[in-house]
Amino acid sequence: DAGVTQSPTHLIKTRGQHVTLRCSPISGHKSVSWYQQVLGQGPQFIFQYYEKEERGRGNFPDRFSARQFPNYSSELNVNALLLGDSALYLCASSLDRTSFYEQYFGPGTRLTVT
Amino acid sequence: AQSVTQLDSHVSVSEGTPVLLRCNYSSSYSPSLFWYVQHPNKGLQLLLKYTSAATLVKGINGFEAEFKKSETSFHLTKPSAHMSDAAEYFCVVSEVGGATNKLIFGTGTLLAVQP
Repeated sequence: DAGVTQSPTHLIKTRGQHVTLRCSPISGHKSVSWYQQVLGQGPQFIFQYYEKEERGRGNFPDRFSARQFPNYSSELNVNALLLGDSALYLCASSLDRTSFYEQYFGPGTRLTVT
Repeated sequence: AQSVTQLDSHVSVSEGTPVLLRCNYSSSYSPSLFWYVQHPNKGLQLLLKYTSAATLVKGINGFEAEFKKSETSFHLTKPSAHMSDAAEYFCVVSEVGGATNKLIFGTGTLLAVQP
């Protein structure tokens, strides 16, 4: 079975632009979470979506938004990019929304903002 | 509020010697605790998890961790390091029975294994 897939692998954007990152969960998984990992730090929770509804949100500005589609894939959108948004963005999927279920991480999207 | 503190940012061991990566946690609730490993240019992989069952948890690749409530610790150990163990390791806490599966990561410990 395929694992969690993310696209694109890398991208470079300019300050002020908008970016959309995509995630496909493992088949049968209904929960998708997004994390931001700045170089040298641990991942920080951004969002969790379960059954197409937002179930949790981390301490990120409103420039960050996400959605989950009927097939459980997800998009993370970031508006008005800042240099500080440069990071590895990780997507994780799990069967359900609680911590009893293991989260499986994708390889990430490396975003560079210049 | 929940948090984890990884006490060492870098650990260096020789191949074949024991590994100890230290983690302390803080949680108002009964925590779920995890160790994840991140190899360069690869995704995060779950090594092991504690969810209020046995306090000594065995994971993949010979790693294990012991939950000590009195010391609020969840240290990761391995009897004998292998070159392939070189990676970054994250201690992680989550809320048991919470409405979400939000994971709170530590700052990571970079493990180097010398030949």
